[in-house]
Parts: sequence; structure tokens; C-alpha cells
Amino acid sequence: ETGVTQSPTHLIKTRGQQVTLRCSSQSGHNTVSWYQQALGQGPQFIFQYYREEENGRGNFPPRFSGLQFPNYSSELNVNALELDDSALYLCASSLPGRGTYEQYFGPGTRLTVT
Amino acid sequence: AQSVAQPEDQVNVAEGNPLTVKCTYSVSGNPYLFWYVQYPNRGLQFLLKYITGDNLVKGSYGFEAEFNKSQTSFHLKKPSALVSDSALYFCAVRSGSARQLTFGSGTQLTVLP
Repeated sequence: ETGVTQSPTHLIKTRGQQVTLRCSSQSGHNTVSWYQQALGQGPQFIFQYYREEENGRGNFPPRFSGLQFPNYSSELNVNALELDDSALYLCASSLPGRGTYEQYFGPGTRLTVT
Repeated sequence: AQSVAQPEDQVNVAEGNPLTVKCTYSVSGNPYLFWYVQYPNRGLQFLLKYITGDNLVKGSYGFEAEFNKSQTSFHLKKPSALVSDSALYFCAVRSGSARQLTFGSGTQLTVLP
């Protein structure tokens, strides 16, 4: 196990609702990245947070937003949910600048939008 | 821009035989290359990485990968497959300046007893 935790494990929401997903990074890791993995596809980068600031963003609309807290934990918020938002949402933590380069993933949150 | 191609959706191999899972990449500048494995209903587990140095890198669970700059490839290999290796494998790349990993579409490896 990586030490990255995510909650909740599963979530069912209705189209148009809002959702918040949470992530606790591995101890000492100051960078958190969020990915969306649709069924049968590879993970797609949503955004990254470093020291509480957004540090890069993929091709996702503004209704996908995030936060990072002083303890480096993070939230992903999605507003106005659409059916296509149904996916596994993965959080990954890393410690860039320390020669590690790789990202360590949590188990994910499975979001179903009906 | 950076991209990864995994040309095989499915690879089947008999237990005890060598396995190869293919990956090619495109990136500006020097690539940082990674292999991850995903078991059902689980997150991604890091296997190995190439940053610089020897073209043959060794990782967890007996896996290794060969970096070939001229062919822009980073194939995953294992000399003797186990049934427990059956899983979904992802290749990922990022350039030195990029924030994110770019993943391939994944290859489902099935090791037959």
C-alpha cells in the first residue's frame, strides 16, 4: 500500500448535483495530482496542487475545482454533475525535487452519476 | 505535447513463459517513463521507472523494462510469468517540465495456468 487514502470509496449522485472527493497524501509528500479514469481507459490528468496552489491543469472544465490544505491533503469538487463524469477518480501524491519523480496513487473513488 | 501508445489491448501468455507488454511514447525533450499495474477495483501500483542511465531498468515483482531511445519504446518484460501477474498494465510518460503523467490506454495481461 502507498499510504495515500481516498474517501469515500463509492458515491452515487444525480445529474446536476455537486460532489466533493477527499485525498490524504503519503506522509511528507507536498504535491497532489488528481486523475479521472473512465471505464476501459487510462487515467486522464485533471489538475495538480503544490503547496496549496494549483500547479497545472488538464483539459477539464472549470466546474472541476480543487483545494489543498496545509497538511497537504486535498479535495476535488465537481459541480453540475453530468453523466459522463461517472468514473474512477484517482489521487496521487509525490515529492518533486527529491529525485523520486514517480507518483503514488490511492485506491480511488468510484463516482456514478445517474 | 506528450503521448503514449500501448498497441495491444490484451496479451495472453502461459505461466512460466516470458512476457512482454509494449509501449511507445512521444515527448518533447528527455522522457521520464513509468509502468503501473492496476488490479480490479484498485488504484495504480508503481512498478518501475526510467529517468536516466542504464537502458534496462528493474522493478518490483521481477519486472523489468527496456528503454530504446531510437524506437521511442519502453517495453515491460518478465522472464517467467505468474498467474498472479494477471492485471491491467499502464505505461506513462512525462517530460521534465510537465506536471502530469500521460497514460496509455492500458494492456490487459492474462497469464494462463
